[in-house]
Amino acid sequence: EDKVVQSPLSLVVHEGDTVTLNCSYEVTNFRSLLWYKQEKKAPTFLFMLTSSGIEKKSGRLSSILDKKELFSILNITATQTGDSAVYLCAYYQGAQKLVFGQGTRLTINP
Amino acid sequence: GAVVSQHPSRVICKSGTSVKIECRSLDFQATTMFWYRQFPKQSLMLMATSNEGSKATYEQGVEKDKFLINHASLTLSTLTVTSAHPEDSSFYICSAAMASGFPIYYNEQFFGPGTRLTVL
Repeated sequence: EDKVVQSPLSLVVHEGDTVTLNCSYEVTNFRSLLWYKQEKKAPTFLFMLTSSGIEKKSGRLSSILDKKELFSILNITATQTGDSAVYLCAYYQGAQKLVFGQGTRLTINP
Repeated sequence: GAVVSQHPSRVICKSGTSVKIECRSLDFQATTMFWYRQFPKQSLMLMATSNEGSKATYEQGVEKDKFLINHASLTLSTLTVTSAHPEDSSFYICSAAMASGFPIYYNEQFFGPGTRLTVL
C-alpha cells in the first residue's frame, strides 16, 4: 500500500537553529513529492520534487529527493518564529489524487 | 498569481440544515478542483475530485448524496453539505489544478484558505 511517513511528528527548537524534516515514501508509479507549509489555514506550496539529487531552494528553505533510498528532506536554516507551522509532504496517487503525510509540527521558540 | 478563494471562511449552522461552500480560482482556469476535509490535528483527506462539466469522483467512504459537488465553470466549484450533523464539523479545504495542458501530477495544487464548519 502506498504511503508517506513523516518524522519527527513534532519538533521544538530555538530561533536560529537549523532543522531537518524527513519524509519517507513507498509509492508505486512515483511521479513527484511535494512539500507544503500549513499554519492556521490551508497549506501553502513550498516545493515539488521529481528528480533525485537536485536540491530545490527558496530562501532559508531547501529540499532534496533521494529516489534510491525513497525519502526527501526539508531543511530550514536560521529558523524564525514565523517558521512555526505544520509541514506536510504529499505524493500523487494516480494522475490526480494528492495524498498527504501526517505532518511534522514545528515550533520555533524565541 | 494562482489564487484560490473560498466562501464562507467560517459557518455555524444547526443540525439538519444544508451548507454551501464555494471555491473559486481567481486568476486562472481550473479544469479540476479538489475537496479535502481536515479534522483537528489530522492531515488533509481528499473527499472528492471535481472536473468541470462532469460528475465528481468521490473517495471511498465519502457519501456523494451527503456531499454534493458541482463544478459549473472553469473557475467555480461548490460543495454542499446536506442535512449537516455535528460529526460533519470540520475544516473543508478546496484546491485547484491549473489547466496547463500538462498532467496534474506535474503541477502543484493551489489551496483555498479553507472553511471551518461547525454544526450545532
